[in-house]
Amino acid sequence: AQSVTQLDSQVPVFEEAPVELRCNYSSSVSVYLFWYVQYPNQGLQLLLKYLSGSTLVKGINGFEAEFNKSQTSFHLRKPSVHISDTAEYFCAVSEMDNYGQNFVFGPGTRLSVLP
Amino acid sequence: DADVTQTPRNRITKTGKRIMLECSQTKGHDRMYWYRQDPGLGLRLIYYSFDVKDINKGEISDGYSVSRQAQAKFSLSLESAIPNQTALYFCATSGGRAYNEQFFGPGTRLTVL
Repeated sequence: AQSVTQLDSQVPVFEEAPVELRCNYSSSVSVYLFWYVQYPNQGLQLLLKYLSGSTLVKGINGFEAEFNKSQTSFHLRKPSVHISDTAEYFCAVSEMDNYGQNFVFGPGTRLSVLP
Repeated sequence: DADVTQTPRNRITKTGKRIMLECSQTKGHDRMYWYRQDPGLGLRLIYYSFDVKDINKGEISDGYSVSRQAQAKFSLSLESAIPNQTALYFCATSGGRAYNEQFFGPGTRLTVL
């Protein structure tokens, strides 16, 4: 079975600084990878996803992530954050041979953008 | 209008009460899911359904039951609520060409006293 690790439970960063949120996964088969964002008092919204092809994936709101198969990582980055990026971010993995029926989430990283 | 809706949005109840959380979707997806979110644990799968006649247990199904009344409706029941079921509950859907992506409702915040 697959699993997801997000090493940082909280990441404080100043406005306009770059940020990287780390995600590592474990699986015995090929996977699809996702980043979701949860703004305060809201549901989860898809930021970006990796299904196949280019390992650098661009998402909404200026975020991007890079799939590294050898390191089993899918880290999320943004070159310059805004106050409005304050939210909780979840990495998720789905195994390709299960057509998405096993969708596992990491514990989340709370990003706090400081003025 | 939202594609995935959940009712109620907030509920406070007492230990031992029966509670039903409802989820409806207008996306036409065949797959529906129920998750609970607890701080520091992320989202954990309770039950999932791939069509009206298909119900499957997830990681943490004990104490919960579900009903898929129609393709668009999937309800979660707590037969006898207990305080450690206090959590944020999310419904999600997937299907069609987006079978490998899940779309989430706004969540139901449940407090069991």
